[in-house]
Amino acid sequence: GQQLNQSPQSMFIQEGEDVSMNCTSSSIFNTWLWYKQEPGEGPVLLIALYKAGELTSNGRLTAQFGITRKDSFLNISASIPSDVGIYFCAGQGRSQGNLIFGKGTKLSVKP
Amino acid sequence: NAGVTQTPKFQVLKTGQSMTLQCAQDMNHEYMSWYRQDPGMGLRLIHYSVGAGITDQGEVPNGYNVSRSTTEDFPLRLLSAAPSQTSVYFCASSYSIGVGNTIYFGEGSWLTVV
Repeated sequence: GQQLNQSPQSMFIQEGEDVSMNCTSSSIFNTWLWYKQEPGEGPVLLIALYKAGELTSNGRLTAQFGITRKDSFLNISASIPSDVGIYFCAGQGRSQGNLIFGKGTKLSVKP
Repeated sequence: NAGVTQTPKFQVLKTGQSMTLQCAQDMNHEYMSWYRQDPGMGLRLIHYSVGAGITDQGEVPNGYNVSRSTTEDFPLRLLSAAPSQTSVYFCASSYSIGVGNTIYFGEGSWLTVV
């Protein structure tokens, strides 16, 4: 079945640094989504991407839908302590609406 | 705005016991689904439903049953709990299954099977 490879698995950064994480797949997706999950909570949608090449921002977050439809990245600029959490990418294929999730990137920010 | 509501938040079961995780949404969403989340595994789809009376299996359906008698509710049943079912369970819903529909998640149910 379809699988997503998300990297890095974890990141430890200093407050103010920029962060970049990405997801790749061997399959084509029609939609890429990026979620953030904080401890004890469900995933919350950050950014949704619907077209190949699309670059979308949400505050300090920027995500892009890869031109091949097989990858996506998420950047966080000028990180702050409240950025701490696990970030998940998720892809939605053409033939079905169910989401395939990456295994997550755990972000830790040192003040 | 209640959104997606899951109960219970925490549950401890003995091996072999049965229980039902409840999920309700008040957004008139057609599509509902259940995921389990295990350390290092991301979220994996258990079962999903594209409307009342219709259910289908996801990636890891074994040991779980679902039903969808109403648009609002999508309970997940464990008929005979096993330690391997210790996990965090998330219910999710969206307006439809089509591409581009935002999927909303509940806050999760932490289940421990001893």
